[in-house]
Amino acid sequence: DTEVTQTPKHLVMGMTNKKSLKCEQHMGHRAMYWYKQKAKKPPELMFVYSYEKLSINESVPSRFSPECPNSSLLNLHLHALQPEDSALYLCASSQDRGQEAETQYFGPGTRLLVL
Amino acid sequence: AQTVTQSQPEMSVQEAETVTLSCTYDTSENNYYLFWYKQPPSRQMILVIRQEAYKQQNATENRFSVNFQKAAKSFSLKISDSQLGDTAMYFCAFGRGGTSYGKLTFGQGTILTVHP
Repeated sequence: DTEVTQTPKHLVMGMTNKKSLKCEQHMGHRAMYWYKQKAKKPPELMFVYSYEKLSINESVPSRFSPECPNSSLLNLHLHALQPEDSALYLCASSQDRGQEAETQYFGPGTRLLVL
Repeated sequence: AQTVTQSQPEMSVQEAETVTLSCTYDTSENNYYLFWYKQPPSRQMILVIRQEAYKQQNATENRFSVNFQKAAKSFSLKISDSQLGDTAMYFCAFGRGGTSYGKLTFGQGTILTVHP
């Protein structure tokens, strides 16, 4: 099973709402990632978890709050977002075995619209 | 810091023909990996090919092959016998060695359209 799943597929939220994005993988990967992608642009890294610990935060605003409850699950909690946060949010996972830059496996993304 | 440049924003090719997408990068690292990812319209991003910089041999995956020129810092992707399903945005990416997780530096992408 080489699949990363994400829910929901689409999300519309107001600027005062609180919502969460969910990501799941069952490949035994120990590194998990959140990316933000605007249309026809490359993904921009937001967060990296390694062995369920936050390892990289790319200076993301605090209105985005990641959580890694276990090695298979990754959440992104959203609160008080701005319209410019509308984007495709991608989750990815990879092995975390040592010294190699491992292949990242991406989910289908959640398309978020902030009104 | 690393940079990755894809100089062709859009390309098109006829079905069954061959097309080459260019990618150049700049780094002072010796231990790194290069990737080509494919993102079809409204579908998820998948790995096309991965190259370890310490390997001189060019990576291949079926109809996809790379021309890795380390000295020139060039990493082009050749797609042979193009198929309609190859229509996608292609991203070249750089990953540092020395850590198994971390930031991939992506190029700006090339939109490839395969015409019947």
